[in-house]
Amino acid sequence: DTEVTQTPKHLVMGMTNKKSLKCEQHMGHRAMYWYKQKAKKPPELMFVYSYEKLSINESVPSRFSPECPNSSLLNLHLHALQPEDSALYLCASSPMGNNEQFFGPGTRLTVL
Amino acid sequence: GQNIDQPTEMTATEGAIVQINCTYQTSGFNGLFWYQQHAGEAPTFLSYNVLDGLEEKGRFSSFLSRSKGYSYLLLKELQMKDSASYLCAVRSGGYNKLIFGAGTRLAVHP
Repeated sequence: DTEVTQTPKHLVMGMTNKKSLKCEQHMGHRAMYWYKQKAKKPPELMFVYSYEKLSINESVPSRFSPECPNSSLLNLHLHALQPEDSALYLCASSPMGNNEQFFGPGTRLTVL
Repeated sequence: GQNIDQPTEMTATEGAIVQINCTYQTSGFNGLFWYQQHAGEAPTFLSYNVLDGLEEKGRFSSFLSRSKGYSYLLLKELQMKDSASYLCAVRSGGYNKLIFGAGTRLAVHP
């Protein structure tokens, strides 16, 4: 298995909802990442997990809560989001060290 | 500060060669990546340079000059499917952190 999967593909939620995005990889990668990408903009790093521990939080608002329950799974819990949080949320993984990141197809999130 | 510059848009003809430039000024440097991204899809890895020089991979080549803070991606024998955004990304700092440029939208026409 050489891919990163993300569910759901699309998500529409209200500002009072709680939802979660899921990312999974079975390549044995021990580093996993969440990115946010707005239309016609580059991906912006949100979080990095290394060996299931949070290594980088790029000053992301607390309404985004990451979780890494095991080495294959990465979740992003969403609560009380704003319309400006609507974006494509990309998950990526890589082997530890300086290696290329493999991206999942993303979840397109719309906040009403 | 962190600054990565690429042209916003480029157009080219099918079968031709196109060069996409990237200049960077970052607080650290530990390699430069090129990714391709079709609209609405995930970025896919194209190439990686950490030492000066040219890396060739089929129709795609990438060049790096660390002293000039400069890289380019060369695409040969362009095909219509090469129409996409091309993202230059610098690895800066620990934990394999990537900083992306704004991307270059390439349109290939017949």
